[in-house]
Amino acid sequence: GESVGLHLPTLSVQEGDNSIINCAYSNSASDYFIWYKQESGKGPQFIIDIRSNMDKRQGQRVTVLLNKTVKHLSLQIAATQPGDSAVYFCAERKQGGSEKLVFGKGTKLTVNP
Amino acid sequence: DTAVSQTPKYLVTQMGNDKSIKCEQNLGHDTMYWYKQDSKKFLKIMFSYNNKELIINETVPNRFSPKSPDKAHLNLHINSLELGDSAVYFCASSQVLEIRGEQYFGPGTRLTVT
Repeated sequence: GESVGLHLPTLSVQEGDNSIINCAYSNSASDYFIWYKQESGKGPQFIIDIRSNMDKRQGQRVTVLLNKTVKHLSLQIAATQPGDSAVYFCAERKQGGSEKLVFGKGTKLTVNP
Repeated sequence: DTAVSQTPKYLVTQMGNDKSIKCEQNLGHDTMYWYKQDSKKFLKIMFSYNNKELIINETVPNRFSPKSPDKAHLNLHINSLELGDSAVYFCASSQVLEIRGEQYFGPGTRLTVT
């Protein structure tokens, strides 16, 4: 299953499928990006990060892809599990003045058993 | 074991009241943050502090006043609460001011203003 982030804030997949969560970021000067997972009633939790000099980075069951040309970031989750159900946020590091993270709107992933 | 803790977890109060939310981190981090998450899950930074010094103030109304008594604590005091202040407030910390690793978030404080 795949989301288009800002336009489809929910994504529902079957357990075992691969999930793709998309994010469009705003600032072409942003040089660092992070994906966070937020489970219900909890704070956001770091998943994976990527610097702008990379196109792809892999973690355990997760892969982040960065396309700077179109300012697009995606998070791929392999063999999605019920425990992956959460809201996923991308965040970009904005430089210039004091550094800060700017979060995207979030995509709610629901994994059906 | 809790890395970033916040109290209280829930806060229900009436308009016009003054309330505080406390945050503590035991990670030895230099930088702490306050974020506000609205009902649509939009997460936005409010303040950041580095070694007790205010670094970022994201055009937050001056009814919101952060206080950092030491680098392990960052409290948020809100005066004259308004309905629009209802949200979940997250405290976070990071090792250094430069954002190059993850920020560790607390569990959040759900503030409801009636």
